[in-house]
Amino acid sequence: AQSVTQLGSHVSVSEGALVLLRCNYSSSVPPYLFWYVQYPNQGLQLLLKYTTGATLVKGINGFEAEFKKSETSFHLTKPSAHMSDAAEYFCAVSEFNDYKLSFGAGTTVTVRA
Amino acid sequence: IAGITQAPTSQILAAGRRMTLRCTQDMRHNAMYWYRQDLGLGLRLIHYSNTAGTTGKGEVPDGYSVSRANTDDFPLTLASAVPSQTSVYFCASSPEGGNTEAFFGQGTRLTVV
Repeated sequence: AQSVTQLGSHVSVSEGALVLLRCNYSSSVPPYLFWYVQYPNQGLQLLLKYTTGATLVKGINGFEAEFKKSETSFHLTKPSAHMSDAAEYFCAVSEFNDYKLSFGAGTTVTVRA
Repeated sequence: IAGITQAPTSQILAAGRRMTLRCTQDMRHNAMYWYRQDLGLGLRLIHYSNTAGTTGKGEVPDGYSVSRANTDDFPLTLASAVPSQTSVYFCASSPEGGNTEAFFGQGTRLTVV
């Protein structure tokens, strides 16, 4: 069984500053890892995913994440925050041959002008 | 426009009443899911379906039932609603589960009074 822990329920950054959202997972087998974003009153949409291969994954809107097996982490970063990045971000994990996608509790990002 | 349609968008329901939340996708995805989203808890999986004719229990299945008579439709039924089922419900689908992206509907906001 897999699970996800997101450290910090709320992150506030200044416009232009680094965005860092932390995600740690537990999985009995090599996982598939995802970051989703949810804008107010909308469903979730995929930012990026790691399945196999390169451990540094680039996504939409300038976000990237690095899979670190030794640390069981998949932290999300963006070098320079924009006002449009204000949203809730969810880390998720699934496993090979398992249709269940498990989500973390989410991190709300606020961007200050 | 291809995607997932949920209905209704919102509903106020008296406790003890029966309610079916509808979900239809036109992407011919095999896997479909129902999640509930509650503040501070992220998204929790209620039920899922790997393919038409099969369903499985997720993390919080009690009080809910689903059916998957065909590929496109995946209704969620609350047999006798209780206030703790007040939540935002999201339907999602993915081509095969596992390492494939999940696509989400816009959500149904349900209030049980």
